[in-house]
Amino acid sequence: GAGVSQSPSNKVTEKGKDVELRCDPISGHTALYWYRQSLGQGLEFLIYFQGNSAPDKSGLPSDRFSAERTGGSVSTLTIQRTQQEDSAVYLCASSGTSGRAGYNEQFFGPGTRLTVL
Amino acid sequence: AQSVTQPDIHITVSEGASLELRCNYSYGATPYLFWYVQSPGQGLQLLLKYFSGDTLVQGIKGFEAEFKRSQSSFNLRKPSVHWSDAAEYFCAVGTTGFQKLVFGTGTRLLVSP
Repeated sequence: GAGVSQSPSNKVTEKGKDVELRCDPISGHTALYWYRQSLGQGLEFLIYFQGNSAPDKSGLPSDRFSAERTGGSVSTLTIQRTQQEDSAVYLCASSGTSGRAGYNEQFFGPGTRLTVL
Repeated sequence: AQSVTQPDIHITVSEGASLELRCNYSYGATPYLFWYVQSPGQGLQLLLKYFSGDTLVQGIKGFEAEFKRSQSSFNLRKPSVHWSDAAEYFCAVGTTGFQKLVFGTGTRLLVSP
């Protein structure tokens, strides 16, 4: 596909359940980011992947949150034992190799809206 | 730590009028600055970016932004707003190293007829 895709687009779950959110980055993009957008907190960085490794996990809010990336492509964000405060839109972005300016534009997917009842 | 402030939560502009959305950043090094737009139910779309060089940058949809180092500002402007510009606008600063984006809280633009 031409852009970043995310699935599911909407997810409703019950408190205490585990959920998995998927991100398919733009083909060939080596960097992948997860962000969270919620009413109270705005847009927050969660985790960054370069290839399959995650050198920056500083934004993960608790140990209930984890993410992995396989084959340098698809990434899955897993939230265990979901809480109501996890309700938010989870956005994924990807970027390619460094341009002349040394900074890589991030392209965002449409997001997954998570509702925890 | 880096931060971005967008002081206006909501702005209402008449169609055809000019627009300026304010953004102030805090970052120790030379910043990489971005403006994104988010329409209802949509992801974030990049409007424009500043990396270096000319401080007035042009973007898509007729938007421009001016980087002012002395004021730590990167305000977004458009000379004539269209109804389709109604959306939420986010200013962001990109960090060096891992290059994550730090976003402001956003400004919701309403366009009145």
